[in-house]
Amino acid sequence: QSALTQPPSASGSPGQSVTISCTGTTRDVGTSNSISWYQQHPGKAPKLMIYEVTKRPSGVPHRFSGSKSGNTASLTVSGLQDEDEAVYFCSSFAGGNIFFVFGTGTTVTVL
Amino acid sequence: QVHLVQSGAEVKKPGASVKVSCKASGFIFTAYILSWVRQAPGQGLEWMGWINTYNDYTDYAQNLQGRATMTTDPSTSTAYMELRSLRSDDTAVYYCARRNWGGMDVWGQGTTVTVSS
Repeated sequence: QSALTQPPSASGSPGQSVTISCTGTTRDVGTSNSISWYQQHPGKAPKLMIYEVTKRPSGVPHRFSGSKSGNTASLTVSGLQDEDEAVYFCSSFAGGNIFFVFGTGTTVTVL
Repeated sequence: QVHLVQSGAEVKKPGASVKVSCKASGFIFTAYILSWVRQAPGQGLEWMGWINTYNDYTDYAQNLQGRATMTTDPSTSTAYMELRSLRSDDTAVYYCARRNWGGMDVWGQGTTVTVSS
């Protein structure tokens, strides 16, 4: 199955905002409300940051927000902090016998 | 506290099998679906499949071509993932993760599986 498409990299200075896109198709992102975002630091397991497109688990800072338009979901990190430097992955439920798919991953660099 | 604790690193030869365990604590094991995800060195996340711990119903990624089997032992709150006919491109960190809210909210620490002759 094909992964969802994310830009390889994104960057911003501390305090700035960065937005990461996650593009799929009508078979996954376009028809799913189960869009999630994960943060992964080197050598660590992924951490859930956003679920059901816009919701934050307890403990995730309010500067992380999610949205979706058509076949593209987005993660915005406002007020970038040094600890936000990580790789971010999106995921979506998918139709048919694909079931579930991750994005290709975006490395966020805090300049 | 909610935890998923996985078994230790494995080194296997091509053609062999590996079985990774994932022990849950801090939540009702049979109330959640457990997923398995792998990550090859320097690569992204790949969904492998999941198992409904209540009824053992499974879904698998097509590209595993029937080589993976996911099982559970509710008596010990442990899930297992066995991968057969190992190839060099199965070298990866394997994670178990709890499916919740359509995403994966609790992750194991990962198990490194190295396939090498």
